[in-house]
Amino acid sequence: GPKVLQIPSHQIIDMGQMVTLNCDPVSNHLYFYWYKQILGQQMEFLVNFYNGKVMEKSKLFKDQFSVERPDGSYFTLKIQPTALEDSAVYFCASSSGLGGRGDTQYFGPGTRLLVL
Amino acid sequence: GEQVEQLPSSLIVQEGASVLINCSYTDSASVYFPWYKQEPGKRLQFIIDIRSNMERKQNQRLTLLFDKKTKHLSLHITATQPGDSAIYFCSAKGFASALTFGSGTKVIVLP
Repeated sequence: GPKVLQIPSHQIIDMGQMVTLNCDPVSNHLYFYWYKQILGQQMEFLVNFYNGKVMEKSKLFKDQFSVERPDGSYFTLKIQPTALEDSAVYFCASSSGLGGRGDTQYFGPGTRLLVL
Repeated sequence: GEQVEQLPSSLIVQEGASVLINCSYTDSASVYFPWYKQEPGKRLQFIIDIRSNMERKQNQRLTLLFDKKTKHLSLHITATQPGDSAIYFCSAKGFASALTFGSGTKVIVLP
């Protein structure tokens, strides 16, 4: 099926530093998402992005988080500054928003972030 | 907000047997229910979905049943193979775009 790519696969940083997680969504998709999964817990929605804007976000999407997709390049999640509780796997997803399969979200393999 | 509960958390079956995974949700506004499979070390893979105006959907060895009244779904996998070993996630989506996931069911199919 359609493939979403994520870079890097793993990232280790010191608390307080900035980190940028990169997502290469499916080429014709219009909606982009980030989800967070802490080890042993359920995957939880963070944010949805469409047409250059955040459409919705959860309470997990703290002020230190930001997303953008400049000029059709990577869809990024930036955390600045990072905190220990940001350690998790971050999954990117995309959907076309068009037609019968428009709601289906396709996921990347995840970026494992460890904040020390 | 929406809450999705998934049971069992894990199960082990012999190759060829059937598997039943149950899922319940709380928000009656949820209208779309995709299921995903995650093999060890791999990404979430979409496997089947159903909308709230349907009661049943089949895709090869997968059958998904939906009961709007009880807010319950069940995924039935027949003639299981070792390649079906994975964690299976149900999810729910309302008119907003966010998916709410269950906690997953780890299925192990023994050869």
